[in-house]
Amino acid sequence: AQSVTQLDSQVPVFEEAPVELRCNYSSSVSVYLFWYVQYPNQGLQLLLKYLSGSTLVKGINGFEAEFNKSQTSFHLRKPSVHISDTAEYFCAVRSSSYKLIFGSGTRLLVRP
Amino acid sequence: EPEVTQTPSHQVTQMGQEVILRCVPISNHLYFYWYRQILGQKVEFLVSFYNNEISEKSEIFDDQFSVERPDGSNFTLKIRSTKLEDSAMYFCASSEAQGIGTGELFFGEGSRLTVL
Repeated sequence: AQSVTQLDSQVPVFEEAPVELRCNYSSSVSVYLFWYVQYPNQGLQLLLKYLSGSTLVKGINGFEAEFNKSQTSFHLRKPSVHISDTAEYFCAVRSSSYKLIFGSGTRLLVRP
Repeated sequence: EPEVTQTPSHQVTQMGQEVILRCVPISNHLYFYWYRQILGQKVEFLVSFYNNEISEKSEIFDDQFSVERPDGSNFTLKIRSTKLEDSAMYFCASSEAQGIGTGELFFGEGSRLTVL
């Protein structure tokens, strides 16, 4: 069965600093991975996705993620964060039945 | 830009009451989902729906829950006899298809249910 682990429940970072949010997955089938962002009191918005092809995936708002099959990871990165990036970030893997399985989320807290 | 819409945005109910959460998926989408997020916890899959029937449901989705597509546009989640632990944010999602390139899920803004 597929699963996703986000080890960091909260990541504090100063504005304009780089950030990496970690995601590790477990899957015995072809892997399709996603990062969603949830701003306060809002729904889930797709940041980026890996379906196939290049292992470096670029998404919205300057975020990117790298699929690493040997390390079963799909870490999310941004070279310089803004206050407006403060949000909850969820990594997800698509199951063989096409539903999404989410990690527990990482709260990114950007400080001035 | 087409979007998934959910109503109500927030509902407060008494324990034991029935609640219906409504969703209007994106018009050309064929697959529909409900997820829930208990405060501070992960987003959990409840049920998926296609061709007017449930295609998959989780252990959470017991006899207390039901889904329906009463007309061509709405997709509802009914919770009978609500319990305190049903308090959560409920997200509706839809996708055009389930293929590799078209299986992206689009989520609504959520309906927050508070059971007192």
